[in-house]
Amino acid sequence: AQSVTQPDIHITVSEGASLELRCNYSYGATPYLFWYVQSPGQGLQLLLKYFSGDTLVQGIKGFEAEFKRSQSSFNLRKPSVHWSDAAEYFCAVGGSGTYKYIFGTGTRLKVLA
Amino acid sequence: DAEITQSPRHKITETGRQVTLACHQTWNHNNMFWYRQDLGHGLRLIHYSYGVHDTNKGEVSDGYSVSRSNTEDLPLTLESAASSQTSVYFCASSESGQGAGELFFGEGSRLTVL
Repeated sequence: AQSVTQPDIHITVSEGASLELRCNYSYGATPYLFWYVQSPGQGLQLLLKYFSGDTLVQGIKGFEAEFKRSQSSFNLRKPSVHWSDAAEYFCAVGGSGTYKYIFGTGTRLKVLA
Repeated sequence: DAEITQSPRHKITETGRQVTLACHQTWNHNNMFWYRQDLGHGLRLIHYSYGVHDTNKGEVSDGYSVSRSNTEDLPLTLESAASSQTSVYFCASSESGQGAGELFFGEGSRLTVL
């Protein structure tokens, strides 16, 4: 079955600390992987995406993610978190044969001053 | 700038009433999607369309319908609203291409069914 798992529902970090949000997927074909961010009361915005090539991808707002095929993972990282990064983060998987996505259930990030 | 707009942003209705949520995009995208967002479930696909007059059911389509008469609009109709349909609804669009591409989201419509 195709699925996306974000094992952490909530994460709290201090401003300036590093961040890693976990994402594991199950997908029957070559995956296209995405991370989206949702600020309160807003729609989702694309942070970064992986289709092929270099397994370390850079995104907006200083985020990066690494695709590890052997672990079926696509974890999101940021070296130093800012208070404005507090939001909900969604991992999603799609593929070359479809325009549809499967979304994870999200991780809510809280940043302590 | 191109955008995707949803209306109304907030709506309260009663059980059994018909409700229509509007979605309008100026990206000229062929693909349009409706999702609902509920705590603990993330985003679940309700209906989607890959072009004019094309509509398809997603994973949670019961009680919902859509129609696509032009490229810009994909209204979502709840035929007889139920309390279980209280949710935040998001419309999104994407380009046709080599497969799943970037989704552009509206700001959401919060629906409360009493």
